[in-house]
Amino acid sequence: GENVEQHPSTLSVQEGDSAVIKCTYSDSASNYFPWYKQELGKRPQLIIDIRSNVGEKKDQRIAVTLNKTAKHFSLHITETQPEDSAVYFCAATNFGNEKLTFGTGTRLTIIP
Amino acid sequence: NAGVMQNPRHLVRRRGQEARLRCSPMKGHSHVYWYRQLPEEGLKFMVYLQKENIIDESGMPKERFSAEFPKEGPSILRIQQVVRGDSAAYFCASSQPGYQETQYFGPGTRLLVL
Repeated sequence: GENVEQHPSTLSVQEGDSAVIKCTYSDSASNYFPWYKQELGKRPQLIIDIRSNVGEKKDQRIAVTLNKTAKHFSLHITETQPEDSAVYFCAATNFGNEKLTFGTGTRLTIIP
Repeated sequence: NAGVMQNPRHLVRRRGQEARLRCSPMKGHSHVYWYRQLPEEGLKFMVYLQKENIIDESGMPKERFSAEFPKEGPSILRIQQVVRGDSAAYFCASSQPGYQETQYFGPGTRLLVL
């Protein structure tokens, strides 16, 4: 089955700086990669996703890149703000499978 | 447009009791998924259901756990004879036909077994 690894497990950045979280996956058949943000005690919230037919996707301060050859994808947050502090999870799946395999999460702390 | 609804939000059970967790998908969504999250860990897939059908239960423990999604009403995750190790947050997600991979999560049920 699919295995997703996520790094780093914790990340602290100064407000205004950029944050990068990286994930690798094992199943070359995976073709859908969402990112979720989870604040303490709250639901995982889908913030951005990417399909394998594109290499990059951007939504305001958030971007995701995908390298299918190397089987890794990354989340980039620019101009970080205190409200970006949360745990971020990457996940992978393939169409027809649907069950998401999650990484272990990255606790992002924005230092004011 | 209400999101995915789950109840109860918190549930306390003593060892050996039964726990019933309910999930109502978003309007227009007919696919439901259950995930379990242990403290300080990621989410683990348990089961994927469509109306009246279990599609994939590969992540579900073989004993004590069951799930259903009836024609009418919410999806239910049932845990019989709970043990302390069942203490976790249980999240339900839903998706719409044709976009099954794009899943939206409910607020979760936090189960505490005493």
